[in-house]
Amino acid sequence: NAGVTQTPKFRVLKTGQSMTLLCAQDMNHEYMYWYRQDPGMGLRLIHYSVGEGTTAKGEVPDGYNVSRLKKQNFLLGLESAAPSQTSVYFCASTQKTGLLETQYFGPGTRLLVL
Amino acid sequence: KNQVEQSPQSLIILEGKNCTLQCNYTVSPFSNLRWYKQDTGRGPVSLTIMTFSENTKSNGRYTATLDADTKQSSLHITASQLSDSASYICVVSAGNRDDKIIFGKGTRLHILP
Repeated sequence: NAGVTQTPKFRVLKTGQSMTLLCAQDMNHEYMYWYRQDPGMGLRLIHYSVGEGTTAKGEVPDGYNVSRLKKQNFLLGLESAAPSQTSVYFCASTQKTGLLETQYFGPGTRLLVL
Repeated sequence: KNQVEQSPQSLIILEGKNCTLQCNYTVSPFSNLRWYKQDTGRGPVSLTIMTFSENTKSNGRYTATLDADTKQSSLHITASQLSDSASYICVVSAGNRDDKIIFGKGTRLHILP
C-alpha cells in the first residue's frame, strides 16, 4: 500500500513550456485534490475531484487544468508555465465517511519556472 | 470570511520540554478540525481530527483540544523530541462544502538538543 504518490519529484521549466504532474493513490478514495504551497502561505486548493470523471475548480485554478479519467489518478496540467507557478505542489486524497474524513498527502512536486 | 490563524509563527524549545501551539478559526459552518505535521520536504501527515462534539484527542505525545464556542484549538506536545521539529498545520473544514478546507499557515517548531 503506497498511499499517495506523485511524479515527478522535481522539475525545472522555462516560461511557456507545458507539463503534467501525476498523482496516484491506491486507497480507492473517491476524493482527490491538488494544492500548491508557497512560502508564508497556507496550502491553497487548485482543483479537486469528487469521483472518476469529475473535476471542479478550487481557490486558485487559473493557469491549470486537471483530469480524472481513472479513479486512482489525478493529473494536473500546466499549459503555459509562468514564473508565478513556481511552487511546491501537493496531491491529496480522502474517502468521505462522515465528519471524520482526513486527507492523505503525497510527498510533493517541486516546480521551478524560469 | 473563513480564516484559520495560527500562533506563534515559529517556536524554539529545548528537547524534553513541552509546548503548546494555538489555532483560532472563523470557519462556518464548522465540520471538523485537524492538526497535521509537515516535515521539511515532505507532505503533511495527519495527527488528530476532531468534530464539534470532541474537546480533547490524543495521539501519543500529541494532545489536541477544541473549544467550539470560542473557535479555538491547541496542540500540546509533551516531552519534545528532536524528531518533533517540523511545521504544524491547523486545518478546518466547513460543512457541506467539498472545497472549503481552510489551511492555516502553520507554526514552525524547532527542537534544540
